[in-house]
Amino acid sequence: DTGVSQDPRHKITKRGQNVTFRCDPISEHNRLYWYRQTLGQGPEFLTYFQNEAQLEKSRLLSDRFSAERPKGSFSTLEIQRTEQGDSAMYLCASSRHNLAGGTDTQYFGPGTRLTVL
Amino acid sequence: AQTVTQSQPEMSVQEAETVTLSCTYDTSENNYYLFWYKQPPSRQMILVIRQEAYKQQNATENRFSVNFQKAAKSFSLKISDSQLGDTAMYFCAFERQKLVFGQGTRLTINP
Repeated sequence: DTGVSQDPRHKITKRGQNVTFRCDPISEHNRLYWYRQTLGQGPEFLTYFQNEAQLEKSRLLSDRFSAERPKGSFSTLEIQRTEQGDSAMYLCASSRHNLAGGTDTQYFGPGTRLTVL
Repeated sequence: AQTVTQSQPEMSVQEAETVTLSCTYDTSENNYYLFWYKQPPSRQMILVIRQEAYKQQNATENRFSVNFQKAAKSFSLKISDSQLGDTAMYFCAFERQKLVFGQGTRLTINP
């Protein structure tokens, strides 16, 4: 079990540029989550997938943000026309959810730290 | 909407002491899960302990234990025999499909 991986670990970009982050979940996990964490705060939920279906999006996720999980494995999070307020750590987590409604623990990746200049 | 409150922004104890971190939450749900996660400086979030709301017995994991009071919506974490490696941000989280985190408590263990 290699754990959740994220790429890149750090990204510095200029305001107005587009950026894309990738998350590879634990292989048998069917749920994948994206969170955003600003300095000194707890993570905030952005969106999550069960297999390839995006089941919920936070109101925090503006139209400039889009996430995909096309084959139910890895996911990408794209931010278009970045703003300085987008600077944060973007965390990915995965879990195994069963049909009986039980939920397994979410395991987190190391995060991608985005700095928008 | 669920909310999670951690009222202690920072705590500091000596190595080998016992420390308790507080957490309260607000929800109208009856079935949910509660977690404590640890985030060491510049390192990733890792699970400390998990509690299912339908279980009355408090969860324990080696030196870590919780005091879960469902009626009071309280979920505190006790760390016994604290170690230098316990220094980290600790987040309390509520889960019902997605995680809702508190603001965190920065815990420092001093030698």
